[in-house]
Formats: sequence, structure tokens, C-alpha cells
Amino acid sequence: GENVEQHPSTLSVQEGDSAVIKCTYSDSASNYFPWYKQELGKGPQLIIDIRSNVGEKKDQRIAVTLNKTAKHFSLHITETQPEDSAVYFCAARFYQKVTFGTGTKLQVIP
Amino acid sequence: NAGVTQTPKFRVLKTGQSMTLLCAQDMNHEYMYWYRQDPGMGLRLIHYSVGEGTTAKGEVPDGYNVSRLKKQNFLLGLESAAPSQTSVYFCASSYWTGTNEQFFGPGTRLTVL
Repeated sequence: GENVEQHPSTLSVQEGDSAVIKCTYSDSASNYFPWYKQELGKGPQLIIDIRSNVGEKKDQRIAVTLNKTAKHFSLHITETQPEDSAVYFCAARFYQKVTFGTGTKLQVIP
Repeated sequence: NAGVTQTPKFRVLKTGQSMTLLCAQDMNHEYMYWYRQDPGMGLRLIHYSVGEGTTAKGEVPDGYNVSRLKKQNFLLGLESAAPSQTSVYFCASSYWTGTNEQFFGPGTRLTVL
């Protein structure tokens, strides 16, 4: 089955700095890669996603890059704000099965 | 729209007791999922359903059963709870077409003593 590794497990940045979270996947058949943000006491919520036929996607301060050859994808958050503090999960999907990474706890220090 | 709702929000069980967690969605989604979330392990798929009357095993199905008698509801049952089942349980749903974006419920925190 699919295996998704996510790094780092914790990340602290100063407000205004950039944050980068990296994930690797094992199954080359995976074709959809969503990123979820989970705030304390809530369920995960999709923030951005990318399909396997696209190398990069951007939505305001967040962007995701995908390298299919190396089987890794990354989340980039620029100009971080305190409200970006949360746990972020990457995931890889093949049909209806989604495999999640272990999560990154991001702390943005004001 | 309420989205995805879960009942109950919290529950404490003793070892050997049984219980059912209820998930309901009002988005007419075909797919529904049950995950458990444990510290340092992310979200792990327990069971899922691709439509009314269907269920399938996920990554960690042992000790759990599910039923999808109605399209909008997905039930997760623990027949004989064990301390290892202490976790936060999330339900999610999605369409079968497009990106299959999953919409998650608020979670149920279960403690088994």
C-alpha cells in the first residue's frame, strides 16, 4: 500500500517568514495530493491540492509543488501569520483511498 | 447546510463495552470514511464506503464494524472496546467525481478505560 512520510514534525517560524513542509510518497499510481489544515479541536480542512499532471499550484500565500519523478511534494506558506498556526497534513490519493502523512505542527511566533 | 456531523463528541467506555458512533452528511456525497487519529501517527483509515449498502476495509479495520444503510449516514461500531481503541475518530465524506475533496466532521474523542 501507499506510504506517505512528512517532515518536519514540528516547525516554528517568526511571523512574516516562510514555512516549508515536505512529503514523500511511495506509490507512483497516486494521482492527487491534497493538503489539510487542522486547528485545535476541529477536523482537518482542505487548503490546497494538486493533481499529478501539474507541477505547481498557488493560492495567495500558499503554494504546493510536485515532483513526480522523485515522488515528493511540498507546501510553501509565505508571509506567515499567527492564524497559520495549526497542524498540517499532506496526503496521497489513488481512487477512493487516501493515505495521510503524520502531520506537521506549525507555530508562528508573533 | 450542516456539512458532516458526528455523534457523540466525547465518550468514556470501560473495556469490553460496546458503542456506536454516528456520522451524518447532508451534501449527498457518495463516499464516506472513518479515520482514527493518534499522536504522531496522523490519520489512519478504518473503513470506508463508496455508496449506500457498501463497505470496505481500510488500513486498521480490526475491532471495528461499519454499516451504511442510508446514503447520508455511516455508523462505526466497537463490539468489545479495548484501551488500544482510545483515540479521536473522524468521519469524512466526498463526491465520487472530481478531486474527491474530503469534508471532515468535528471528531469524537473516545477513551477506553
